[in-house]
This record gives sequence, C-alpha cells and structure tokens, in this order.
Amino acid sequence: AQTVTQSQPEMSVQEAETVTLSCTYDTSESNYYLFWYKQPPSRQMILVIRQEAYKQQNATENRFSVNFQKAAKSFSLKISDSQLGDTAMYFCAFMIGGNQFYFGTGTSLTVIP
Amino acid sequence: DAGITQSPRHKVTETGTPVTLRCHQTENHRYMYWYRQDPGHGLRLIHYSYGVKDTDKGEVSDGYSVSRSKTEDFLLTLESATSSQTSVYFCATSAGGSYGYTFGSGTRLTVV
Repeated sequence: AQTVTQSQPEMSVQEAETVTLSCTYDTSESNYYLFWYKQPPSRQMILVIRQEAYKQQNATENRFSVNFQKAAKSFSLKISDSQLGDTAMYFCAFMIGGNQFYFGTGTSLTVIP
Repeated sequence: DAGITQSPRHKVTETGTPVTLRCHQTENHRYMYWYRQDPGHGLRLIHYSYGVKDTDKGEVSDGYSVSRSKTEDFLLTLESATSSQTSVYFCATSAGGSYGYTFGSGTRLTVV
C-alpha cells in the first residue's frame, strides 16, 4: 500500500523565520515523483515544489527547498524567510505510474507577524 | 487554474436528492480525477478517468458515479446525497508524466 504521513497537523512560525514541515511516505516503487502543494484560504491548490526520486540533488524554488532522504523515505519542506502569504495548508504527495497520486493529510501553517 | 473550471463553486442540497458536479478543462489532458477533501483526511480519490468513457474507482467511490463523454468534461454524480457527502470536491487533471496535477478551484457541497 502507498501511504503518505504528515505528522504535524498544525505549525506556526514567526515572520522572517525558517520552518520545516515533515513528510514520510511508503512505497515499494523505485520510480516516483514527490510534490508539495500549498492550499491558502482561497482553497486553490498550488504546486510549490517537485522532486524526482531518481535525483539525489534536493529541489529548490526560491525560499522553498526540500530535504529528500530516499532511503529513509522522507521528504521535508523548508520555508525560509517566512512571509504572511505562506499561511496555508501544505500537502505532501507522491506520484507513481505517471498518474496515480497519494496525498498526506496536510499541515496547517500559520505565519505570525 | 485558468484551464480547469468547476461548477458550481458552492451548493447546498437536501438529503436524498441527486447532485451533479461538473469539471471542464481546456488543457487537453488525458487524465481527470475527482477528490474529496475533509479535515484530517487530506484528499481522497473518488473516481478517475484515463480517457473518454474510460473511468475507474478510487478509494472512496461508494455513493458516487462519474461520466466522461468528452475529453474536456468529467462529471461527478451523487445519486442520492447524504450528510456524509458534505465536503469540498476537487477536480484535477494530468497529462501524465512527471508534472503532477492541475487543480480546479473546488466545489463546497453541503448536504442538509
């Protein structure tokens, strides 16, 4: 079975500080892709960052970066210089077979001014 | 998400009535999906489609049916709505490959 676990239902961070959201997953597949999606109060799901499992180099998108540990099946998201607009629900997900997605239950992040 | 439109955006309906939610895409993506989002559960797959008239069940398909008569449209029907189907419903599309999903803006359905 494919599973994604986000063990932190809620987190908060002070504006301009750094926060890390954790995610672990389980799959027997060797070829897959990992994603973090952001869902602000507007409800729209926005892709934050993606990582190919076959790449060892961690993906980075501006203030967002991941720490991908394939052997540990861990895929954490680091947000640097947190901004008020980062307040959102964050979902970790992985994809296998080119079209089958599996989502975690989400982490609600609040950035405190 | 300009390429994916969900309608309606909000709906309140009574228990026992049929409800149809519509997803329309202009992305020409092959794969389309319906998810429901509930607190503590994340997103759970209801049904998906891998082409016109080709659909399959997801993990929470009971009480739901789908149809896809055209590439661009994917309909989700609640045959007889129940209060447990109160949720936010998301449509997503994918061209396959590694680029992930494109999501619609969701439909908030309340069954009273």
